[in-house]
Amino acid sequence: KQEVTQIPAALSVPEGENLVLNCSFTDSAIYNLQWFRQDPGKGLTSLLLIQSSQREQTSGRLNASLDKSSGRSTLYIAASQPGDSATYLCAASGYSTLTFGKGTMLLVSP
Amino acid sequence: NAGVTQTPKFRVLKTGQSMTLLCAQDMNHEYMYWYRQDPGMGLRLIHYSVGEGTTAKGEVPDGYNVSRLKKQNFLLGLESAAPSQTSVYFCASSLVVVNEQFFGPGTRLTVL
Repeated sequence: KQEVTQIPAALSVPEGENLVLNCSFTDSAIYNLQWFRQDPGKGLTSLLLIQSSQREQTSGRLNASLDKSSGRSTLYIAASQPGDSATYLCAASGYSTLTFGKGTMLLVSP
Repeated sequence: NAGVTQTPKFRVLKTGQSMTLLCAQDMNHEYMYWYRQDPGMGLRLIHYSVGEGTTAKGEVPDGYNVSRLKKQNFLLGLESAAPSQTSVYFCASSLVVVNEQFFGPGTRLTVL
C-alpha cells in the first residue's frame, strides 16, 4: 500500500524567502506525482504534475522535482509572498487512484 | 466551463438520515472520485469511477454508495448517516488517471 509523507507539517517564513517542501512515497511504481494547493475552506487546485518519466516541472515561481528511485519529490517556491500562504499537498498516482500526503501548512508573513 | 461542481455546499443531518451528494463535471472526463477530508487524516478516497456505469471502492468505502449513470455526474449516497461521517467531502475528475485531477469546492457535512 502506497504511503505518502510530507515534511514539515507546518512552516512559517518571512516574505521573500525561498523555501522547499518535501514529499516522500513508499512505492516507486507511480504514474505521476502531483502537487496541489488548498486555501482554507476551499477545494484543491492543481499546481504541478510530474510524469514518472520526468525529473522536474516548473510554473512561474514554483519548481517541482521527482526522484522515483529514492521515493522523493520537492516543491521549491522562490521569493515567497503572503499570497502563497496555504496548505500544499502532494499526491502519488497509482494505476487508478491518487494517494495523498497530509500536507504542509505554509504561512508567509509580510 | 464550470469545471467540477458539488451540491449541496453545506448540510446538517441527524443520525440515521439519508442523503445524496451530487458531483457534476463539464470537461468530458472519464474518471471521477469522491474523497473525504478530516483533520489529521488528510484526503482519503471513498469510491471512484473509471467511466460511465462503473464504480470501484477506495480506501474508506463503508457506509457509502455511489452511482455513475451519466458520464458527467457522480453521486455519493449515505443510506444511514453516522456521526463518524461528519467530514468535508470533495469530488474530483480527470481525463485519465495520468492527468491532473480537478477538484470541486467541497461539501461540509455534519451528522448530529
